[in-house]
Amino acid sequence: DQQVKQNSPSLSVQEGRISILNCDYTNSMFDYFLWYKKYPAEGPTFLISISSIKDKNEDGRFTVFLNKSAKHLSLHIVPSQPGDSAVYFCAASDAGANNLFFGTGTRLTVIP
Amino acid sequence: DVKVTQSSRYLVKRTGEKVFLECVQDMDHENMFWYRQDPGLGLRLIYFSYDVKMKEKGDIPEGYSVSREKKERFSLILESASTNQTSMYLCASKDLGRGNTEAFFGQGTRLTVV
Repeated sequence: DQQVKQNSPSLSVQEGRISILNCDYTNSMFDYFLWYKKYPAEGPTFLISISSIKDKNEDGRFTVFLNKSAKHLSLHIVPSQPGDSAVYFCAASDAGANNLFFGTGTRLTVIP
Repeated sequence: DVKVTQSSRYLVKRTGEKVFLECVQDMDHENMFWYRQDPGLGLRLIYFSYDVKMKEKGDIPEGYSVSREKKERFSLILESASTNQTSMYLCASKDLGRGNTEAFFGQGTRLTVV
């Protein structure tokens, strides 16, 4: 059963606007959440993370928000750029775990 | 700079062949993983290893085996390749201990079984 879910397979946004990618999880033991970005024919690269003791983490144009009560996190990209076009994966782990659980990914297209 | 290297970017193999995918990391990480990525299914864990000679099954281990004889190297073996194993294979490594560290991925191997 999928413990991390990304219900939107794709998203299109105009350049300069905000991109919002969503992720839901079911395991209340998860305490660390990550976003990865993946271009075709390349491995995923780490983008940003958040610990469960926080509800927001920012890094430049990227902000991740965590709502623990709703078991929901989101990635905001502002402003969106054409180079942001990629597949974004949400991932989660729990303390002491050796594994990361991934969502199914959202393909973001930023239209120039 | 951290590095996870997979031995091949692209491979084409015949049905029934034994296939070896190699992965090497230079970060002295204890944990190593093999995932496959398929459209609409995301990254699915095949096997992982948390130490030399140790392995654990992931979500989809059937048809695969792994080997970890040295800390830096983790091999995925397809015992008898089948067409439904055509996929993108991704190796990753991660520091052991507390869960709040990221995993680093290799560039991926696109395997086609014909």
